[in-house]
Amino acid sequence: DVKLVESGGGLVRPGGSLRLSCVASGFRFDDYGMNWVRQVPGKGLEWVAGIKWNGENIGYEDSVKGRFIISRENTKNSVFLEMNNLRAEDTALYYCVKIRAYSGYADAFDLWGQGTQVTVSS
Amino acid sequence: ETVLTQSPGTLSLSPGERATLSCRASETVSSDYLAWYQQRPGQAPRLLIYASSTRATGIPDRFGGSGSGTDFTLTISRLEPEDFAVYYCHQYHNSPMTFGLGTKVEIK
Repeated sequence: DVKLVESGGGLVRPGGSLRLSCVASGFRFDDYGMNWVRQVPGKGLEWVAGIKWNGENIGYEDSVKGRFIISRENTKNSVFLEMNNLRAEDTALYYCVKIRAYSGYADAFDLWGQGTQVTVSS
Repeated sequence: ETVLTQSPGTLSLSPGERATLSCRASETVSSDYLAWYQQRPGQAPRLLIYASSTRATGIPDRFGGSGSGTDFTLTISRLEPEDFAVYYCHQYHNSPMTFGLGTKVEIK
């Protein structure tokens, strides 16, 4: 079964930290770039971060640069998002997504997890 | 960043009718780097179209994409009940990648 399963979300105070994890199955994980995309309930989609298949090319949306770190461990079919200095505006459902084909991380997203909710509130 | 403006915000149609959704970019996007997604309530988005006009695996041929430069269109030739959902365009040509705010296709 081809799928992505996220975990690690939760309620955290402003300034706190969380580490999201995503485990992939059913495809050759180390062939594909991976990304995190977030969505505020009832609102649109926002790309957060992306990482090439070998971890050598990484990108971030401006508002999370310096606070979030994306990484991957191909031996465990996993990608991570370490989130530091969290703000109320980071509250969202965070999706782990796989790119369709290209060797970087910028491509159409052909596989999405079900998401993990992050809530930043005092 | 490249702003994608989707219109209309809401489209009210009946099953069997044709839906035409627009996505306009604030700067040129290569047609090889524009995708469309469908999101049903309570579900994750699903890839429909990539490279502006290529249907993803398993997507029925009533879904079609077109466009170039700054203007792109998603067409649903005959709406089925399961097509009533929110649709997003996504450009992956310019950094950072961006999405439109979505068009909701609702039952009239």
